[in-house]
Amino acid sequence: AQSVTQPDIHITVSEGASLELRCNYSYGATPYLFWYVQSPGQGLQLLLKYFSGDTLVQGIKGFEAEFKRSQSSFNLRKPSVHWSDAAEYFCAVSPNAGGTSYGKLTFGQGTILTVHP
Amino acid sequence: NAGVTQTPKFQVLKTGQSMTLQCAQDMNHNSMYWYRQDPGMGLRLIYYSASEGTTDKGEVPNGYNVSRLNKREFSLRLESAAPSQTSVYFCASSELRGGTQYFGPGTRLLVL
Repeated sequence: AQSVTQPDIHITVSEGASLELRCNYSYGATPYLFWYVQSPGQGLQLLLKYFSGDTLVQGIKGFEAEFKRSQSSFNLRKPSVHWSDAAEYFCAVSPNAGGTSYGKLTFGQGTILTVHP
Repeated sequence: NAGVTQTPKFQVLKTGQSMTLQCAQDMNHNSMYWYRQDPGMGLRLIYYSASEGTTDKGEVPNGYNVSRLNKREFSLRLESAAPSQTSVYFCASSELRGGTQYFGPGTRLLVL
């Protein structure tokens, strides 16, 4: 069964600093990969996704993520964090082929980002 | 386009009561999903519907039932609510099974 690990439960950065949120997955093949963001009391918004092709993926709000097959990782990065980026971030994976698990998203536990002024 | 809508936004139930959470999407998507979110556990899939007329269990289906009423609507029913079902419930939809999922704003459920 697929699984997703976000090793950092809570990260604090200063506004303007760079950010990297870690995501590791366990799956037999290359899955579809996603990052979602959730502001307090809100639903989830898609930041970016990787299906195939270029391993560096650009998303909304200045975020990017890099897929590294050898490390089974899909880390999220932003060069300069803004106070409005404070939220909870979720990495998710989905199988990329048919079968009973196809289309089912498996989420990591989430990383809460706090931004200090 | 409203996207994915959910009702109610918030509900308090007593143990043993029943209720139905409603979800509708206006994006003409084929697949719909129900998740629950608990602190420190991310989101876990309860049930999903790959296409109209089909439903299947997810990771945590016990205590829940679903109905895919039509292409737009996918409801989640708690027949006899338990305190362990206190959670935030999210509905999502995707154009096709395996595609990008878009989420509703959530329903906060408290079972006393």
